[in-house]
Amino acid sequence: EDQVTQSPEALRLQEGESSSLNCSYTVSGLRGLFWYRQDPGKGPEFLFTLYSAGEEKEKERLKATLTKKESFLHITAPKPEDSATYLCAVPYGGSQGNLIFGKGTKLSVKP
Amino acid sequence: DAGVTQSPTHLIKTRGQQVTLRCSPISGHKSVSWYQQVLGQGPQFIFQYYEKEERGRGNFPDRFSARQFPNYSSELNVNALLLGDSALYLCASSLLPGASPLHFGNGTRLTVT
Repeated sequence: EDQVTQSPEALRLQEGESSSLNCSYTVSGLRGLFWYRQDPGKGPEFLFTLYSAGEEKEKERLKATLTKKESFLHITAPKPEDSATYLCAVPYGGSQGNLIFGKGTKLSVKP
Repeated sequence: DAGVTQSPTHLIKTRGQQVTLRCSPISGHKSVSWYQQVLGQGPQFIFQYYEKEERGRGNFPDRFSARQFPNYSSELNVNALLLGDSALYLCASSLLPGASPLHFGNGTRLTVT
């Protein structure tokens, strides 16, 4: 059965304290791994798509990496505005419109 | 450009009632998907539509139905509401069914009392 597991469930950091979020997956034939950011009361906002092991994508203080079994979202020198829930997802079935999401990691960055 | 728009933003219904949620995709996007997000969980796939045809369905009961219109907008209907249907209902659009990424609206918060 296809599954996505994220850890930790919650992470509290001080401003400037770098860390990583983990997303492990079990799917038959990966057709992309997606990272989203979700603010309270809002819909998920797309961050990155990774397609093959070894691939890396960067955006401001965020860098996403992919291996054959997991993905990491590295946050370098975070700021309070990076506080949000970070979701990862993989497609299943024949269409990328059908995504399996993890439960997310709730990140809090204190000034 | 306008993103995915959903209406209403909030809704309160009583058990047993029926509800209709609406979604307008990003201009030019032809595929629409619906997700349910319960508090503390990730979104769960309900339906995908493309060219008015259902292209995928998640593990939801037949009380849930949807349709897509010629202008690519979509409606999600839920009949015989249960307390457990209380959730944030998210609509997402993409250019085509297999296109990446999905762009989400801000959802409709449904509360069933």
